[in-house]
Amino acid sequence: ETGVTQSPTHLIKTRGQQVTLRCSSQSGHNTVSWYQQALGQGPQFIFQYYREEENGRGNFPPRFSGLQFPNYSSELNVNALELDDSALYLCASRTGQNEKLFFGSGTQLSVL
Amino acid sequence: AQKVTQAQTEISVVEKEDVTLDCVYETRDTTYYLFWYKQPPSGELVFLIRRNSFDEQNEISGRYSWNFQKSTSSFNFTITASQVVDSAVYFCALSENTSGTYKYIFGTGTRLKVLA
Repeated sequence: ETGVTQSPTHLIKTRGQQVTLRCSSQSGHNTVSWYQQALGQGPQFIFQYYREEENGRGNFPPRFSGLQFPNYSSELNVNALELDDSALYLCASRTGQNEKLFFGSGTQLSVL
Repeated sequence: AQKVTQAQTEISVVEKEDVTLDCVYETRDTTYYLFWYKQPPSGELVFLIRRNSFDEQNEISGRYSWNFQKSTSSFNFTITASQVVDSAVYFCALSENTSGTYKYIFGTGTRLKVLA
């Protein structure tokens, strides 16, 4: 148990739709990041949030956006879904002083 | 650029055999961390070990052991006397900290199948 929870567990959307994924960080963790894991691949960094602001982004287009709330929970929003967005989306949290990321169990998104 | 290579895509062993998973990394940083995670079919990433770049002491923990060699940029992971429950995908990861953004660079994973 990492203390990081994600919802929903599974989600099916159609191309062009929008989706919101949610993450509740472990208590005391002020930094949250999101990763996309395509089938058969390792997780890829999407972006990081610290103090409710995005402060780092990987190679993902602007239609991937996020929010971090004062209680350190977070959302990942994806607009104009494409078939290639089908993947496992993982949320991870940490404190500023800890090099270890704590991962949630992920949301499996299928885009049809 | 930072990079992690796991050349073994899939390994199959018979229960009780020893198995070593290879990981080679590239980094410009002098301070970094290396990790191994296990991902069972349920999908969550289970933390196994971390090593910082200044700690080359190898370790044994139960059936697991790790071999970190900076000279060859390798961080290999060995399971002794493998069990069916060890079947999973194993990821090696390298930390990167740039301008306050902290992230992991993952390898593509090695699928381990332990046959009864």
